[in-house]
Amino acid sequence: GAVVSQHPSWVICKSGTSVKIECRSLDFQATTMFWYRQFPKQSLMLMATSNEGSKATYEQGVEKDKFLINHASLTLSTLTVTSAHPEDSSFYICSVQGVTEAFFGQGTRLTVV
Amino acid sequence: AQSVTQLDSHVSVSEGTPVLLRCNYSSSYSPSLFWYVQHPNKGLQLLLKYTSAATLVKGINGFEAEFKKSETSFHLTKPSAHMSDAAEYFCVVSESSGTASKLTFGTGTRLQVTL
Repeated sequence: GAVVSQHPSWVICKSGTSVKIECRSLDFQATTMFWYRQFPKQSLMLMATSNEGSKATYEQGVEKDKFLINHASLTLSTLTVTSAHPEDSSFYICSVQGVTEAFFGQGTRLTVV
Repeated sequence: AQSVTQLDSHVSVSEGTPVLLRCNYSSSYSPSLFWYVQHPNKGLQLLLKYTSAATLVKGINGFEAEFKKSETSFHLTKPSAHMSDAAEYFCVVSESSGTASKLTFGTGTRLQVTL
């Protein structure tokens, strides 16, 4: 199955700064990647669908100007949290959809102080 | 539209006893169903999947699940719990087994295993 690598695995940043999270598909060319957010003790919520070479598709309620997604190649999608605030603190997970199942990165724990 | 309901937010069992994690789904089409496990601060690992083949699906680590269309259920079971099974479990539905299909997650069930 596909191997998906996320970086960094955890990050602490100050309010007002921006943070970039990378999601790499190591052995699978992914035209589409998915970004999820998971608040403590809650389920995963889809934030956006990242499309290689075109604009991402955002779920209702997710601010596209705050969560910038770039999918410049078939193996890399990035999520940038701009002007981060403490309420953005969460666990962010990316995934790649294979033929019959999804493969997930190990997640990024973002803490905004 | 598709949805998933995990009936128990928390399940506690003794080591060596059976595990039952319940999941009901709703889907307009023939769904694909999955169970994923998540250990603290980790990504998700696939336990097993149903994609319209055999209704009894065997997964890793001794887990299995049975797809029951009449009951719209996909409960996860294991005959004998191990301490290492303690984790969060997610039931997931997808209305397409093809690429770029959207997943809908249940709210999760935290499994606690005691001595």
